[in-house]
Amino acid sequence: EAGVVQSPRYKIIEKKQPVAFWCNPISGHNTLYWYLQNLGQGPELLIRYENEEAVDDSQLPKDRFSAERLKGVDSTLKIQPAELGDSAVYLCASSLGPPGEYGYTFGSGTRLTVV
Amino acid sequence: QKEVEQDPGPLSVPEGAIVSLNCTYSNSAFQYFMWYRQYSRKGPELLMYTYSSGNKEDGRFTAQVDKSSKYISLFIRDSQPSDSATYLCAMSSLGSSASKIIFGSGTRLSIRP
Repeated sequence: EAGVVQSPRYKIIEKKQPVAFWCNPISGHNTLYWYLQNLGQGPELLIRYENEEAVDDSQLPKDRFSAERLKGVDSTLKIQPAELGDSAVYLCASSLGPPGEYGYTFGSGTRLTVV
Repeated sequence: QKEVEQDPGPLSVPEGAIVSLNCTYSNSAFQYFMWYRQYSRKGPELLMYTYSSGNKEDGRFTAQVDKSSKYISLFIRDSQPSDSATYLCAMSSLGSSASKIIFGSGTRLSIRP
């Protein structure tokens, strides 16, 4: 079974440019998460989807970040415009059910560098 | 104060040693306790999962939860160089907020051959 697939693995962009990350969750996992991980820190939730619906986006900086999950499968996270402080690893995860019971399966992440 | 506190390390021990990793937390609503292992340039992977208080053993790994002290531990016996990674504790509560996991900042562990 394929795991959570993310692309690209690495991205370097200049500040003020747009950038997009893509995630394909495990088949059958209705819940999808985008997490941000800064160097030396644990992951922090940006947004959670139940199928197509964003049910928790309270931590998403909506002035520059947006996300979508069309047809309740793949998801895209976008930043426009990117700032230097956005340099981090962006992790996608999916879960079969409540993560307290099932845990997450993470992708390998997209490492973003804004210069 | 963060909801979950974890010593960042780094922690370096010789091969074969017993490793103890710990986290404290402040939210008494947490009921699910997890340990994730993260290798360099990889996403975290679920290592151990415990519900409420008690111990859980899986091979060389033992997870302990002491809810009265708001303290959780992961023990690694007969540590191997392949155990070198960052270990993240994680917690979740019941109810709607069960759909969110709060992570510690991670402890970097290095096992010396």
